[in-house]
Parts: sequence; C-alpha cells; structure tokens
Amino acid sequence: AQSVTQPDIHITVSEGASLELRCNYSYGATPYLFWYVQSPGQGLQLLLKYFSGDTLVQGIKGFEAEFKRSQSSFNLRKPSVHWSDAAEYFCAVAIPLSGSARQLTFGSGTQLTVLP
Amino acid sequence: DAMVIQNPRYQVTQFGKPVTLSCSQTLNHNVMYWYQQKSSQAPKLLFHYYDKDFNNEADTPDNFQSRRPNTSFCFLDIRSPGLGDAAMYLCATSRDTTGYQETQYFGPGTRLLVL
Repeated sequence: AQSVTQPDIHITVSEGASLELRCNYSYGATPYLFWYVQSPGQGLQLLLKYFSGDTLVQGIKGFEAEFKRSQSSFNLRKPSVHWSDAAEYFCAVAIPLSGSARQLTFGSGTQLTVLP
Repeated sequence: DAMVIQNPRYQVTQFGKPVTLSCSQTLNHNVMYWYQQKSSQAPKLLFHYYDKDFNNEADTPDNFQSRRPNTSFCFLDIRSPGLGDAAMYLCATSRDTTGYQETQYFGPGTRLLVL
C-alpha cells in the first residue's frame, strides 16, 4: 500500500534562512507527487507537483522540490523563508481511482514556524 | 477567477441533527472529492464523484452520504453527527484528462462543530 512519511512534525527557522522539508513515499508504480500548504483554518493550496520529466520542479512562492527515485524522496526547499510562509505543509502521492480520478494520500504534515 | 467554493465556512450542529455541507466549482471539472481532516491530522478521502458515478471509500461510515445534482455542485450529508465527526471538511475537484496529469484543487473548507 502507498504511504507518505514526513519525518519532521514541527520545524522552526528564522526569517531569511533556508528551508528544507522532508518527504518520503512508498508506492510501487511511478509516483505523482504534490506539495500543498495549509494556513490555519484554510483549505489546501497547491505549491508544486511532479509527474515526470525534470526531477527539479519549481512552484509558487519561490518553492522548489526535487524528486529522487533512488531515495524515494520529494523534499521541498526554499532558499530564503518569509514570515508569511508559516503554515502547515503536506506532501502527497496520488494513486489511481476510477478513470483518471486520483486518491491523494497525504503525509502527516510539517508545521513550519518562522521566527522574526 | 475559477475556483472551488464551500459554504458555510463554519457550521455548528447538535449531536444527532442532520447537517449538509455544500461545495460548488466554476472550474467545470468532472471529478469532485470530499475529504475529512481532523485536528492536527492529514486529510482523509471520504468519497468522490467521477461525473455522476459515486465512489465510496471502504472505511467511510454509513453516516456520511453525498449528492451531486449537477457538474457544479456537490453536497456532503451527515445523517446523525456524532462528536467524533467534528472536523474540517474539504472539497476538491479535478479534471478528467489523459495521461493522469490532473491536479486536485481544494476549496477553503467547512469547519464542523458538533455540540
């Protein structure tokens, strides 16, 4: 069965520092991978996605992620964090349902705190 | 802007009193999903509609039902809410495409409180 692991429950960084959020997945086929961000009381906003091709994908808000098949990882990075990046971050893998519908299996999330 | 809209944003109901949550979309996507997200947990898929076809997850309680009267609207009905059903309910949509490259777009969620 597919699964997603986010090893870090909570990360604290200073504003302007670099950030890396870890994500490891377990899935037998070629994974379709996503990073979503959720601010308190809000829905999920897509940051970026990987389906195929270039293993380094660029997303919104200056985020990027790198797919490493050999490590089953899809880590999210940002070179310089802004206070507005404080939120919860979810990594997800999409598995087929009916037709081209997909079930997103989410990791447990990483809560990011940004210090001034 | 095309979007996924959920109403209400906050819903308070009483134990055992039926409640309906609403989702609408202007994206013209043919797949709609309902997720339940409890506090400090990841979202969990309850069911999805592929066009008019309803698909229930195996572990979704019978207490949860859904209706999709047309492409734009989808409803989540909780027939007899229990205290354990208090959660954020997220609606998402995706478009049927070849190549399995569709992405799910989420609404802002409805936070349900059961008294």
